[in-house]
Amino acid sequence: ILNVEQSPQSLHVQEGDSTNFTCSFPSSNFYALHWYRWETAKSPEALFVMTLNGDEKKKGRISATLNTKEGYSYLYIKGSQPEDSATYLCAPRTGNQFYFGTGTSLTVIP
Amino acid sequence: NAGVTQTPKFQVLKTGQSMTLQCAQDMNHNSMYWYRQDPGMGLRLIYYSASEGTTDKGEVPNGYNVSRLNKREFSLRLESAAPSQTSVYFCASSPYGGADTEAFFGQGTRLTVV
Repeated sequence: ILNVEQSPQSLHVQEGDSTNFTCSFPSSNFYALHWYRWETAKSPEALFVMTLNGDEKKKGRISATLNTKEGYSYLYIKGSQPEDSATYLCAPRTGNQFYFGTGTSLTVIP
Repeated sequence: NAGVTQTPKFQVLKTGQSMTLQCAQDMNHNSMYWYRQDPGMGLRLIYYSASEGTTDKGEVPNGYNVSRLNKREFSLRLESAAPSQTSVYFCASSPYGGADTEAFFGQGTRLTVV
């Protein structure tokens, strides 16, 4: 079992605000770090997969960075929109297992 | 374009009853997983199957059994349901190989044990 921590647990922002969340994980035995987006009443969907220290990935207004040496990843959302409201999960993957954090619940207020 | 299909979507059981949750994927993935999701607990791994013919326990296997029937199907069985097994259950699959391959999730089964 891997100890994966995500912060904050929940976040309310105004439409147009930029925001970021953190995922912390043990830096040893690292293979890959996954971010998933989980909308209410749906199933989680993959956002990013990062494997290398210093990796940065971007998809539209959402981006992520990875620091494997210190064991953390940041997810950034620029100019939040109501459709960004969801829970964002991070999951380090070692071998065949994904170790999911409890997620950051984002609510974007119009 | 089915992806990962779970049945049923909803189920209510009485304590002590048994049932099997079905999961099938049509993406030719080798690895399949069963998770449960409880408030404040995130997704916890119950069992997984790295490839056809193998299964391994995850974080919370007690009270559950699994069967990897073939490459497509991975079922989860509750032999004697307990109220503590009230949860939302997700099946997922992933290609076998590099850790950079993502997981694909089914729509979930909401199970209530009364």
